[in-house]
Amino acid sequence: AQSVTQLGSHVSVSEGALVLLRCNYSSSVPPYLFWYVQYPNQGLQLLLKYTSAATLVKGINGFEAEFKKSETSFHLTKPSAHMSDAAEYFCAVTFNTDKLIFGTGTRLQVFP
Amino acid sequence: EPEVTQTPSHQVTQMGQEVILRCVPISNHLYFYWYRQILGQKVEFLVSFYNNEISEKSEIFDDQFSVERPDGSNFTLKIRSTKLEDSAMYFCASSELGTGFNTGELFFGEGSRLTVL
Repeated sequence: AQSVTQLGSHVSVSEGALVLLRCNYSSSVPPYLFWYVQYPNQGLQLLLKYTSAATLVKGINGFEAEFKKSETSFHLTKPSAHMSDAAEYFCAVTFNTDKLIFGTGTRLQVFP
Repeated sequence: EPEVTQTPSHQVTQMGQEVILRCVPISNHLYFYWYRQILGQKVEFLVSFYNNEISEKSEIFDDQFSVERPDGSNFTLKIRSTKLEDSAMYFCASSELGTGFNTGELFFGEGSRLTVL
């Protein structure tokens, strides 16, 4: 079955530290992959997407993700965390359908 | 900046009652969606809507659910007879292109929290 898994429901980092949020997918066909962010009391906002072009994708707010087919991964990174990055992050995948399949989300906390 | 708006932000209802959740998508968007998130669980796809008809629906979207675009601007989700397990945050989304093959970006509203007692 096609699915997406986010490892770690909570991640805590210090301000200025590297952010790494993990996402792995399971699929027998090429996927399209997305990262969404949800700030408190807001809707989901697209951070970045992979649609079979460049494997390293740059998004908003300094985030980027790399599609690694051999590892079936699409991990999200940011070199230096900022307090404003505290939010819930969702990895999502679609396989040529109209349906996004979301992961369970990772809550990022940033400490001063 | 254009945004998707949803009303109400929170609704409390008794089991068995009908509920209508409303959404105003971004005006030039053609694809519309409802997702839901039960507390502590994944965001789940319910239904997609294009060209005035359902294009895809999940197994969650049974006969108790319906969607409508009554007037060219609103997009509604109706739950005919609510159950306790319908308690969730319901997100409306819209897209200029679709997801999947068209890989369009989904723009989400802030959600409508439904509590069924």
